[in-house]
Amino acid sequence: GAGVSQSPSNKVTEKGKDVELRCDPISGHTALYWYRQSLGQGLEFLIYFQGNSAPDKSGLPSDRFSAERTGGSVSTLTIQRTQQEDSAVYLCASSFDRGFTDTQYFGPGTRLTVL
Amino acid sequence: AQSVTQLGSHVSVSEGALVLLRCNYSSSVPPYLFWYVQYPNQGLQLLLKYTTGATLVKGINGFEAEFKKSETSFHLTKPSAHMSDAAEYFCAVSDNAGNMLTFGGGTRLMVKP
Repeated sequence: GAGVSQSPSNKVTEKGKDVELRCDPISGHTALYWYRQSLGQGLEFLIYFQGNSAPDKSGLPSDRFSAERTGGSVSTLTIQRTQQEDSAVYLCASSFDRGFTDTQYFGPGTRLTVL
Repeated sequence: AQSVTQLGSHVSVSEGALVLLRCNYSSSVPPYLFWYVQYPNQGLQLLLKYTTGATLVKGINGFEAEFKKSETSFHLTKPSAHMSDAAEYFCAVSDNAGNMLTFGGGTRLMVKP
């Protein structure tokens, strides 16, 4: 019955450092999404995983961003050499099957602050 | 390409008054439409969604929305606002050409006592 969980809830880092954000989807959900919510850009899609298929990376803003999903469950979003413009809330969502009709369930987010 | 426009970044209503949050979309294929609510420091929670079938969709907490293809709209309404409805509301669209949701800019609803 647990929902999507994300850790850490808050992360403060210095410019230039790497960060890793974790997402635990709802058990049994095959689809996993990362979004970014920032003041200037609103809610933006970053990356999508579906089962064992190659991820849809079309929303990643630069090659400093990468994500992986191990064993079809937990996902890690990595941001290398962080910049101040990376400061945002990073939201993870999961859905049972394909997202365009299935409901995406969102986690509480990780608030990233880059100093 | 899809897009969503939410008219009014801030809407203020009195408790007990009608809530109307506007959403217009652009999509080259039949859209799937969603409304999510976000309470402070929380993730997004689905209020309701339209995929196919009946164009008037009822959701949680007394909210409903009507899909109007001719107007490319999916406005969210609630007959009587409660203080607990104060939150940010996001309209989103997806279609079978993509896997992600495209969100509008959000509308912050304030409810006055």
